[in-house]
Amino acid sequence: ETGVTQTPRHLVMGMTNKKSLKCEQHLGHNAMYWYKQSAKKPLELMFVYNFKEQTENNSVPSRFSPECPNSSHLFLHLHTLQPEDSALYLCASSQDFGSLEYSPLHFGNGTRLTVT
Amino acid sequence: DAKTTQPTSMDCAEGRAANLPCNHSTISGNEYVYWYRQIHSQGPQYIIHGLKNNETNEMASLIITEDRKSSTLILPHATLRDTAVYYCIALVRGSQGNLIFGKGTKLSVKP
Repeated sequence: ETGVTQTPRHLVMGMTNKKSLKCEQHLGHNAMYWYKQSAKKPLELMFVYNFKEQTENNSVPSRFSPECPNSSHLFLHLHTLQPEDSALYLCASSQDFGSLEYSPLHFGNGTRLTVT
Repeated sequence: DAKTTQPTSMDCAEGRAANLPCNHSTISGNEYVYWYRQIHSQGPQYIIHGLKNNETNEMASLIITEDRKSSTLILPHATLRDTAVYYCIALVRGSQGNLIFGKGTKLSVKP
């Protein structure tokens, strides 16, 4: 149990569907992250929210749309995805983003997304 | 951030110490060394971090050479559950949100 819960664990969607991934953290953290892990590729940072404000967007296509309604919840809205978007999507949280006191990232177990 | 180099894979016998090396020859003075691991079908898990002194916690020990160009993560008594990909990352303190995960070392602990 990492304190970061992602749902669903598995998702299959067609290219014309709209779906959302959900992440919830019970650690009282203020920063939340979305990472993408494709097969045989390193983890890629997608988005960062710090105190509900988006601080990082690593050139992610607009078909991925994040939402952070509060410090405990993070969503990734998906629409008109491509098969190459199939990957493991990981959510993480930390106490703060950029704090000089190191706060480890706590990851959820991810959502395995398959786009058909 | 400094580039790190790790062996692609390593084996370790169950119950023995697992020593995972990492080279970071271009590390700067304000960069820390962080270790995470990722067990199959799970998200990465933080293990330990250090600047120049050796560090130990309940999971592992981190030995950093005096010139800080390399380090070794030690799992003192490896178990089958320690089979995972281990990532060594060099990063300026305060920028933990910019973790860049490389390919890591796939550690296989064998009975």
